[in-house]
Amino acid sequence: GAGVSQSPRYKVAKRGQDVALRCDPISGHVSLFWYQQALGQGPEFLTYFQNEAQLDKSGLPSDRFFAERPEGSVSTLKIQRTQQEDSAVYLCASQTGPSTDTQYFGPGTRLTVL
Amino acid sequence: GQQLNQSPQSMFIQEGEDVSMNCTSSSIFNTWLWYKQEPGEGPVLLIALYKAGELTSNGRLTAQFGITRKDSFLNISASIPSDVGIYFCAGRVYGGSQGNLIFGKGTKLSVKP
Repeated sequence: GAGVSQSPRYKVAKRGQDVALRCDPISGHVSLFWYQQALGQGPEFLTYFQNEAQLDKSGLPSDRFFAERPEGSVSTLKIQRTQQEDSAVYLCASQTGPSTDTQYFGPGTRLTVL
Repeated sequence: GQQLNQSPQSMFIQEGEDVSMNCTSSSIFNTWLWYKQEPGEGPVLLIALYKAGELTSNGRLTAQFGITRKDSFLNISASIPSDVGIYFCAGRVYGGSQGNLIFGKGTKLSVKP
């Protein structure tokens, strides 16, 4: 596809369930980012990959959050034992490489934890 | 997490008016970016700034990288209804992580035809 795609677009989970959110970056983009956007707030950085290497995971809020990009393309953000405070839009962005600044964002996955 | 101070939080203006919004930070930034986000979509990059004092335009949009490297503003001239959305400033802290963009809380713009 032409842009970054994310699935599912909407996810409702019961508290305690595990969820997996998928990101398909623009083909050939080396860098991939995950952000969390709470209602009425700006996106907050979670983690960053360069190819398959996770170079920065300083924004992951707890050890219940885990991200991977095993083949340097598709990435999955997994949240274990979801809590209500995990409810947010999870945005994925990709970038040609580390030396550019244009991050192309996907439409996001809206996670609601009941 | 760390966020930028963005103001105003919201604006209600008449079509044709000019708009100004700004961001400030306690840290020095080496990159300032301005994004627009519409409902159900991810942010879209409008303007990128890389040098202190830099003034850059993109159509009716103009943005500047502050001399102190701790602030930036975005102006929209002659607003039209399709300018409606949430505008975010974002930047990278000098010496910070390569990938880590810090976002403001956004300015919600409403335009009355």
